[in-house]
Amino acid sequence: SFDLTQPPSVSVSPAQTASITCSGDDLGYKYVCWYQQKPGQPPVLVIYEDTKRPSGIPERFSGSNSGNTATLTISGTQALDEADYYCQAWDSSTVVFGGGTKLTVL
Amino acid sequence: EVELVESGGGLVQTGGSLRLSCAVSGFTFSSYEMNWVRQAPGKGLEWISYISNSGGNIYYAASVKGRFTISRDDAKSSLYLQMNSLRVEDTAVYYCARFGERWYFDYWGQGTLVTVSS
Repeated sequence: SFDLTQPPSVSVSPAQTASITCSGDDLGYKYVCWYQQKPGQPPVLVIYEDTKRPSGIPERFSGSNSGNTATLTISGTQALDEADYYCQAWDSSTVVFGGGTKLTVL
Repeated sequence: EVELVESGGGLVQTGGSLRLSCAVSGFTFSSYEMNWVRQAPGKGLEWISYISNSGGNIYYAASVKGRFTISRDDAKSSLYLQMNSLRVEDTAVYYCARFGERWYFDYWGQGTLVTVSS
């Protein structure tokens, strides 16, 4: 089965850049998207098709995908960005989620 | 405004059944592929089922295949999940989610909690 691996936690200082990785075999050949989830709320799509931002998502969120790794980058991280982040891809008629990364803004 | 509203969750004993519903509004339901995703307490997201816009293609995660059945009623703009032979490990918040053009979930409901007790 196809697996996506994320670091369990990432810490960042306010105004700095946070990077969250998502690894999988030949992931660069698939479309990857990213979700932000805050406690008690459903996930929110922040990046789709590797690099695109949905309407309403701040420009500080960006994405890339190449080789075996996709990366979500948050520039100028704010306290309100503290949340869980999940990557997701589609493989062999199944949706695959990464295990999630807790982003802490210290 | 796009809205997805799940219902039907609750407390059920091991081996029991529940039927979840997801009522949608704000878009042409029949044009979109739909999914169910769940999240166990304190855990990550787990996709469980997909249905194409025609209903002709259906996929399940291995963890629920043979026990859960996804369906849709385009006339009622509703998505369903029939859950049988429930296990303690099926305890989770269940979300319905709309599929965007290339396999991403662009809209989610607020979720409905299913608790399976032994």
